Amino acid sequence: KAGVTQTPRYLIKTRGQQVTLSCSPISGHRSVSWYQQTPGQGLQFLFEYFSETQRNKGNFPGRFSGRQFSNSRSEMNVSTLELGDSALYLCASSLGRGGGTDTQYFGPGTRLTVL
Amino acid sequence: AQSVTQPDIHITVSEGASLELRCNYSYGATPYLFWYVQSPGQGLQLLLKYFSGDTLVQGIKGFEAEFKRSQSSFNLRKPSVHWSDAAEYFCAVGPSGAGNNRKLIWGLGTSLAVNP
Repeated sequence: KAGVTQTPRYLIKTRGQQVTLSCSPISGHRSVSWYQQTPGQGLQFLFEYFSETQRNKGNFPGRFSGRQFSNSRSEMNVSTLELGDSALYLCASSLGRGGGTDTQYFGPGTRLTVL
Repeated sequence: AQSVTQPDIHITVSEGASLELRCNYSYGATPYLFWYVQSPGQGLQLLLKYFSGDTLVQGIKGFEAEFKRSQSSFNLRKPSVHWSDAAEYFCAVGPSGAGNNRKLIWGLGTSLAVNP
């Protein structure tokens, strides 16, 4: 079974631009979570989706948004990029409804650099 | 408030030596506990998890962890470290929150270096 895939793997943007990252979960998985990983802050939870509904959201500004499609694929969008948004963005899928009890399977991440 | 602490930011061990990575948590009930590993340039991979039953949990790659309720700890151990174990290790506790607002809480990670 194919793992979680994320595209693109690397991205360079400039301040003020917007970016869309994509995540395809493992086949059959219906929950998708997004994390921002930086050296100083570790893994910061962005949001979680189950069956196209946002179940949970972390403490990020409204510039960060996401959605999930009927095939469970998910996208996250960051508008008006800031230098501090430079990070590794990780997507994870799980078989169940998520919510902090399921095993999460992570993709390799998208490395976003904001100049 | 619920929290996870990994007291050691960085650990260096020699190949073949034993390893113990510490994880302490603050949680009001019996938590779900996870250890994940992140190799350079990779996503995270589950090593093992605990919710109930035997407090000594066996995982992949020869790792094990012991849940100690009295100490609020879930330390990860390996009897003999291999050079390929060099990676970042994350402890996570869940769920935090209520109802539909539940999620995992993550430690900041421990970076493991292995000397040949």
